[in-house]
Amino acid sequence: DAMVIQNPRYQVTQFGKPVTLSCSQTLNHNVMYWYQQKSSQAPKLLFHYYDKDFNNEADTPDNFQSRRPNTSFCFLDIRSPGLGDAAMYLCATSGDRVTGANVLTFGAGSRLTVL
Amino acid sequence: GQNIDQPTEMTATEGAIVQINCTYQTSGFNGLFWYQQHAGEAPTFLSYNVLDGLEEKGRFSSFLSRSKGYSYLLLKELQMKDSASYLCAVRDSNYQLIWGAGTKLIIKP
Repeated sequence: DAMVIQNPRYQVTQFGKPVTLSCSQTLNHNVMYWYQQKSSQAPKLLFHYYDKDFNNEADTPDNFQSRRPNTSFCFLDIRSPGLGDAAMYLCATSGDRVTGANVLTFGAGSRLTVL
Repeated sequence: GQNIDQPTEMTATEGAIVQINCTYQTSGFNGLFWYQQHAGEAPTFLSYNVLDGLEEKGRFSSFLSRSKGYSYLLLKELQMKDSASYLCAVRDSNYQLIWGAGTKLIIKP
């Protein structure tokens, strides 16, 4: 089945120790998104790629970086995780940014714990 | 600023009907989405409304009134598996998705 796969599902790191989360998709979608979601809160968009065009949200901290080496893969790098970065990180894809019922397809998420 | 309001939590009984409301204030409007999110899992798409009126899909229906900035998700014949959070999201004039914090629905036997 075509899908969005995130690894790892659970990541435990120490304060300040870099972390990389990965996302792969078999949907051949142009757009890939990274969201941060804390408990009982709305997903917060960190950045998205339209093909190779990178779009950073204005309030995304510099501590968060992303790479998209090809259509299928996207990575989220957290350079120096703080306690406030503990959250679920959701990767999503869509066929296009704007057309019609532009449904986001989400991966299962990566839950980050910072000790 | 842009804002999506939903009740934080609702409780309903198995077999019953529940309506989850969503009001929004956004810079323009290009569609409203409802997603279901089970605890610890990713959101999954439920419905999309861009015109006023009711969209029905099995046990779930979604209603939109653009003039009132209002939508609801109606769940019929509730099942225990419907216990989840329901997220309302609006696409604004810049085609950005604005998300609500979600409504946690608790189903009791």
